[in-house]
Amino acid sequence: GAGVSQSPRYKVTKRGQDVALRCDPISGHVSLYWYRQALGQGPEFLTYFNYEAQQDKSGLPNDRFSAERPEGSISTLTIQRTEQRDSAMYRCASSLGRESSPLHFGNGTRLTVT
Amino acid sequence: AQSVTQPDIHITVSEGASLELRCNYSYGATPYLFWYVQSPGQGLQLLLKYFSGDTLVQGIKGFEAEFKRSQSSFNLRKPSVHWSDAAEYFCAVGPISGTYKYIFGTGTRLKVLA
Repeated sequence: GAGVSQSPRYKVTKRGQDVALRCDPISGHVSLYWYRQALGQGPEFLTYFNYEAQQDKSGLPNDRFSAERPEGSISTLTIQRTEQRDSAMYRCASSLGRESSPLHFGNGTRLTVT
Repeated sequence: AQSVTQPDIHITVSEGASLELRCNYSYGATPYLFWYVQSPGQGLQLLLKYFSGDTLVQGIKGFEAEFKRSQSSFNLRKPSVHWSDAAEYFCAVGPISGTYKYIFGTGTRLKVLA
């Protein structure tokens, strides 16, 4: 497709379950970002990939959060043992990777932990 | 520390009126600055960006923004607002030197009165 694709659009899960969120970036975009956006807030950086290498994971809140991009394209953000405080919109963005390249965002996955 | 401040959480304007959304940043070097718009259920769409050169930048949908180094500001303007401009607007700076992070403000929600 032409844009960044995220799935699922909505995910409702029970506390303690694991969830996997998927991001398919724009073709040719080497950089991929995961952001989390709480209601009424701006996006908050989670992690960054350059091709398949995870070059910055400083924004991941704790070790229940992990991400991978094994072939340098599709990425998965996994949250283990979900907690209610994990409920948020999770957004993926990709870019060409040059310093001046803007981010192109997907529509996000709305995660609700009950 | 680097930061982006959007002082106005909500703004209401009448259709046809002019608009100015404020953005102030804190960043040691010359920043790359962006404005994004988020419509309900949609991802963030890039409106415009500033890297260097002319401090007045033109974007899509009739928006413009002016970089003022002395005021550490990058305010977004539109001469005549349309009802379809109702959305949430985010200012961002990045990537932060030595990292891959883009920092976003908390957003300004624009309401347009018919």
